[in-house]
Amino acid sequence: ETGVTQTPRHLVMGMTNKKSLKCEQHLGHNAMYWYKQSAKKPLELMFVYNFKEQTENNSVPSRFSPECPNSSHLFLHLHTLQPEDSALYLCASRPGGPQETQYFGPGTRLLVL
Amino acid sequence: GENVEQHPSTLSVQEGDSAVIKCTYSDSASNYFPWYKQELGKGPQLIIDIRSNVGEKKDQRIAVTLNKTAKHFSLHITETQPEDSAVYFCAANQGNEKLTFGTGTRLTIIP
Repeated sequence: ETGVTQTPRHLVMGMTNKKSLKCEQHLGHNAMYWYKQSAKKPLELMFVYNFKEQTENNSVPSRFSPECPNSSHLFLHLHTLQPEDSALYLCASRPGGPQETQYFGPGTRLLVL
Repeated sequence: GENVEQHPSTLSVQEGDSAVIKCTYSDSASNYFPWYKQELGKGPQLIIDIRSNVGEKKDQRIAVTLNKTAKHFSLHITETQPEDSAVYFCAANQGNEKLTFGTGTRLTIIP
């Protein structure tokens, strides 16, 4: 285990639903990430938070809304998603600077119907 | 922006033999190159990394080589074991927040 937990592990939602993904780490890391992992594509960076401040938004559609209430918790709020948003959503955390190791959670497998 | 290409996409190796995965990057400003291993049902986990001030780094059965001039780097796994079966990702970073990943290599070790 990496010390990064994600809930739920699996989620099925309709296009009109609103749901949230949760990520938690108690490693004392200052940075947290959301990635999208689709089959046969590179991991896509979505958002980065450093000391609770968003430092990167990789042109993500507004139907994905991140929230970082403190350095240990990160949420991804989902609304009016599309079927192509079905993917594995990975959270990661990192101590120190950008070239420190990222510690990934197991991911949330999302299916949008 | 940075673009990382990774080959092969799948690789099958007899147990005990060596495996090599290759990546190329486009931006000469990249100076940090980690490799992550992802097992089924888990998130990626760092196995080794290299910075641009060295050409090779080794950790037991795993080694990484970097050729800055050609802008490519490779992962070498020797004496492969069944537990090496996984998806391996290379990545490149320039010191900013973005780690650019390759598309992954599914390595299968044949007993």
